Amino acid sequence: EDQVTQSPEALRLQEGESSSLNCSYTVSGLRGLFWYRQDPGKGPEFLFTLYSAGEEKEKERLKATLTKKKSFLHITAPKPEDSATYLCAVQIGTYKYIFGTGTRLKVLA
Amino acid sequence: GAGVSQSPSNKVTEKGKDVELRCDPISGHTALYWYRQSLGQGLEFLIYFQGNSAPDKSGLPSDRFSAERTGGSVSTLTIQRTQQEDSAVYLCASSFRLAGGEQFFGPGTRLTVL
Repeated sequence: EDQVTQSPEALRLQEGESSSLNCSYTVSGLRGLFWYRQDPGKGPEFLFTLYSAGEEKEKERLKATLTKKKSFLHITAPKPEDSATYLCAVQIGTYKYIFGTGTRLKVLA
Repeated sequence: GAGVSQSPSNKVTEKGKDVELRCDPISGHTALYWYRQSLGQGLEFLIYFQGNSAPDKSGLPSDRFSAERTGGSVSTLTIQRTQQEDSAVYLCASSFRLAGGEQFFGPGTRLTVL
């Protein structure tokens, strides 16, 4: 069964304390892996797309990497405004996506 | 330019009533998706539109759910005879690509069935 698992469910960091969010997937055919950020009361906002193992993408304090069975979203020196829920999604068909349940990140000042 | 918009932002209804949720995708985006997000659950795929046609309706939870898209733009998700388990946030997303790629989400409609 195709599955996406994110860990941890929740993460509290002090401002400036770097960490990584994990996304593990078990799918029959990966067409792409996507990271989104979701703020309370809003829809997910696209961050990155990764297509092949070894690929990396960066944006400000965020860096996403992809291996054969996992993706990591590394946050370097986070700020309070990075607090949000981060969602991982895998594309398994032409238009089919499976989303994880997300990691709720809270960055304390 | 304008992003994806959804209306209403909140809807409270009584069990058994019908509701209509609307989605205005980004202009020029041919692909349109509906998802449902329940507390503690991942986004649940409901339906995909390619232009005005819906090649895949497999995610619709029951025959009480239906959706249409007109003019390759606005889409309406209709839930008939609402049940309490229908309470959730309904998200719409659009994409420039017909197949795959990143999706641009609207703010969602929070549906509460009393």
